[in-house]
Amino acid sequence: EAGVAQSPRYKIIEKRQSVAFWCNPISGHATLYWYQQILGQGPKLLIQFQNNGVVDDSQLPKDRFSAERLKGVDSTLKIQPAKLEDSAVYLCASSLAFGDEQFFGPGTRLTVL
Amino acid sequence: QKEVEQDPGPLSVPEGAIVSLNCTYSNSAFQYFMWYRQYSRKGPELLMYTYSSGNKEDGRFTAQVDKSSKYISLFIRDSQPSDSATYLCAMSNDGQNFVFGPGTRLSVLP
Repeated sequence: EAGVAQSPRYKIIEKRQSVAFWCNPISGHATLYWYQQILGQGPKLLIQFQNNGVVDDSQLPKDRFSAERLKGVDSTLKIQPAKLEDSAVYLCASSLAFGDEQFFGPGTRLTVL
Repeated sequence: QKEVEQDPGPLSVPEGAIVSLNCTYSNSAFQYFMWYRQYSRKGPELLMYTYSSGNKEDGRFTAQVDKSSKYISLFIRDSQPSDSATYLCAMSNDGQNFVFGPGTRLSVLP
């Protein structure tokens, strides 16, 4: 069974630029999560999708972050414009259903200069 | 006070040692508890999942939950160099929205 795929693996941008991350969940997984993991901290949930609908985006900084999950499969997370404090690893996870075990991708490491 | 706290380490032990990893938390409503292992440059992977208080064992790993003390532990027996990783605890009151601790970095020396 293929795992959660994410791209790119690494991204370096300057502040005020925009960036987008892509996630392909495990086939058949209805629930998809985006987390932000700042160095030395645990993952923090940004947004949660059930199929292509948003379940929870209460911790998503909506003035600069946006996410979508078209057709209930792949998802993209965008930051526009980026700030220095957005430097982190962005993890995507998926689960078969809401509340089931989450399987994480390898993450995208973002550095904002 | 942070909602979930862990000693960040690094914790260095010799191969074969018993390792004890701990988390404390402040929210008494938490009743679902997880332990994840995260290797460098990888995403977390689930090790143990427990509900409410008590012990759960899986191979070399034992998870303990003491809700009265708001304290959970993960024990690793016969530790191996391949156990070297960061260990994250996570907890939830509804089994769906989990709060992660900052992680403890473990190094098992051959």
